[in-house]
Amino acid sequence: QKEVEQNSGPLSVPEGAIASLNCTYSDRGSQSFFWYRQYSGKSPELIMFIYSNGDKEDGRFTAQLNKASQYVSLLIRDSQPSDSATYLCAVRMDSSYKLIFGSGTRLLVRP
Amino acid sequence: SAVISQKPSRDICQRGTSLTIQCQVDSQVTMMFWYRQQPGQSLTLIATANQGSEATYESGFVIDKFPISRPNLTFSTLTVSNMSPEDSSIYLCSVEEVTANTGELFFGEGSRLTVL
Repeated sequence: QKEVEQNSGPLSVPEGAIASLNCTYSDRGSQSFFWYRQYSGKSPELIMFIYSNGDKEDGRFTAQLNKASQYVSLLIRDSQPSDSATYLCAVRMDSSYKLIFGSGTRLLVRP
Repeated sequence: SAVISQKPSRDICQRGTSLTIQCQVDSQVTMMFWYRQQPGQSLTLIATANQGSEATYESGFVIDKFPISRPNLTFSTLTVSNMSPEDSSIYLCSVEEVTANTGELFFGEGSRLTVL
């Protein structure tokens, strides 16, 4: 079992819709969770991080964490074509400095 | 946020040769991380570079293949030795955000290597 799992996609949504990206992780001791966006040919950039169970909102983005289910998601409201990218989920396990990345989900927002 | 400069940004190399990638950070950082991203894949941690000690390598990566230097708190190099086409990847240097203690990583722009 991979440590961090994501559906590779592509996830295709129309402009203005809500895009929902999901991620599961294997280590129950994981404490920190990150969503990165990576445009083709570019390096990853941080979208959001979340540490506590529940929702965290930042503009059009909402991260949701459920540690009991070992599940973290990213919602993008009012999706724009410029949101089309690969979204990487990353997890830091307890007492570790290492960030483990999922394989990424490719999002396509159709105009 | 840290500003990370990597070079070369891209290179085409011949099989059997070695290439050294440089990473310069605009602030002092304790740990620097080297990741590999193979075509269409996610990021895999190669090693963690600490100043004043040997790098810590992840499973599947060895020092003979990927020697790392960390001479000071703002600079590191990764060498890809005796390259084969399977080493064609993007190599990314990253550092951890320390000011806000968020734990996020900042990435350089990457070095895209193609091995013929």
